[in-house]
Amino acid sequence: AQSVTQPDIHITVSEGASLELRCNYSYGATPYLFWYVQSPGQGLQLLLKYFSGDTLVQGIKGFEAEFKRSQSSFNLRKPSVHWSDAAEYFCAVGASSGGGADGLTFGKGTHLIIQP
Amino acid sequence: NAGVTQTPKFQVLKTGQSMTLQCAQDMNHEYMSWYRQDPGMGLRLIHYSVGAGITDQGEVPNGYNVSRSTTEDFPLRLLSAAPSQTSVYFCASSYSVGNQETQYFGPGTRLLVL
Repeated sequence: AQSVTQPDIHITVSEGASLELRCNYSYGATPYLFWYVQSPGQGLQLLLKYFSGDTLVQGIKGFEAEFKRSQSSFNLRKPSVHWSDAAEYFCAVGASSGGGADGLTFGKGTHLIIQP
Repeated sequence: NAGVTQTPKFQVLKTGQSMTLQCAQDMNHEYMSWYRQDPGMGLRLIHYSVGAGITDQGEVPNGYNVSRSTTEDFPLRLLSAAPSQTSVYFCASSYSVGNQETQYFGPGTRLLVL
């Protein structure tokens, strides 16, 4: 069965500092990997996704993620965080390029806190 | 396009009551899904559909029924609500062309079962 692990429940980062959110997955085939962000009281917004090709993926809002097959990881990074980045971040794995064909398996999320 | 719409936004039920959470999309998307979100649990797939008349179970289907009679609508039915179904419910839809697919999530329905 597929699974996603986000080891960090909470992360606190100072504004302007760099950020890395960890994600490890377990999947039997070539995975489609996603990062979503959820602001308080809001729905989910897709930040980026990976399904093939270049292992470094660029997304919206200045985020990027690197797929490492050997480590079964898909960590999310941002060089300099802004206060507006405070949110819940979810890593997900699926069998299709958007996750709609048979659903996504989500991690439990990482809550990002930005210190002034 | 209105995107993915969900109604109601918030609902309080008593144990044993039934209700239907509505989900509609006007983007002619073939794929639709229902997820529930609980604190510390992330999102978990309840049911999904790959087209009108076709549905399948996800990770946590017990206590929920779905049907897909049209492309636009994918209602989620709770036949006898239980406190364990207190959650935030998200509907999602997407359309796939080759490897190009983006899933859109609705704003959610917050359900409280007393």
